[in-house]
Amino acid sequence: GESVGLHLPTLSVQEGDNSIINCAYSNSASDYFIWYKQESGKGPQFIIDIRSNMDKRQGQRVTVLLNKTVKHLSLQIAATQPGDSAVYFCAENQKSGYSTLTFGKGTMLLVSP
Amino acid sequence: KAGVTQTPRYLIKTRGQQVTLSCSPISGHRSVSWYQQTPGQGLQFLFEYFSETQRNKGNFPGRFSGRQFSNSRSEMNVSTLELGDSALYLCASSLSQGAYGYTFGSGTRLTVV
Repeated sequence: GESVGLHLPTLSVQEGDNSIINCAYSNSASDYFIWYKQESGKGPQFIIDIRSNMDKRQGQRVTVLLNKTVKHLSLQIAATQPGDSAVYFCAENQKSGYSTLTFGKGTMLLVSP
Repeated sequence: KAGVTQTPRYLIKTRGQQVTLSCSPISGHRSVSWYQQTPGQGLQFLFEYFSETQRNKGNFPGRFSGRQFSNSRSEMNVSTLELGDSALYLCASSLSQGAYGYTFGSGTRLTVV
């Protein structure tokens, strides 16, 4: 499939390492945030979400942290695997009640065996 | 449970032509949104539909239009195609108004030659 992005920030890690992907969001009024994973030739796949009234949320091997003071989101992936290699996007819902997301530029995660 | 279905998966058109893309949301989902993804601009919001009404529109020229049918299926149309319209067009659906539970399809890859 074709690349989803050129000249994206890239994070290269070894299998088994923990990965942290960061994202700055734009609107202090955004009330809902989502992390997506996108593999080449596919649509974005939901990983984890968090509402603005929370600071942290954990899933299976993934944790999202939200710092509203500095408008910053991070995605932590524990024990990264080669199958985690993909482009990761954060998205914010700027208009509550609307199904409209504003996406970050994305980070490419490369996991070496 | 079937996911979001987009057809066709790939499309090649000539400049000046028009194109119609289709999106069938997850059964029961009433909100459908469209995004354009390019390597340079990333994911950009096109439109949002709920109950056959356009609720929100992104910053795209009038050549881009869409509609939603009573069964929640949606179509988008691009008229007078330009080379710069080459992109992956993604559709996402959610149960109701708001981005919670947003699920993307695999997209339609449009190439304009």
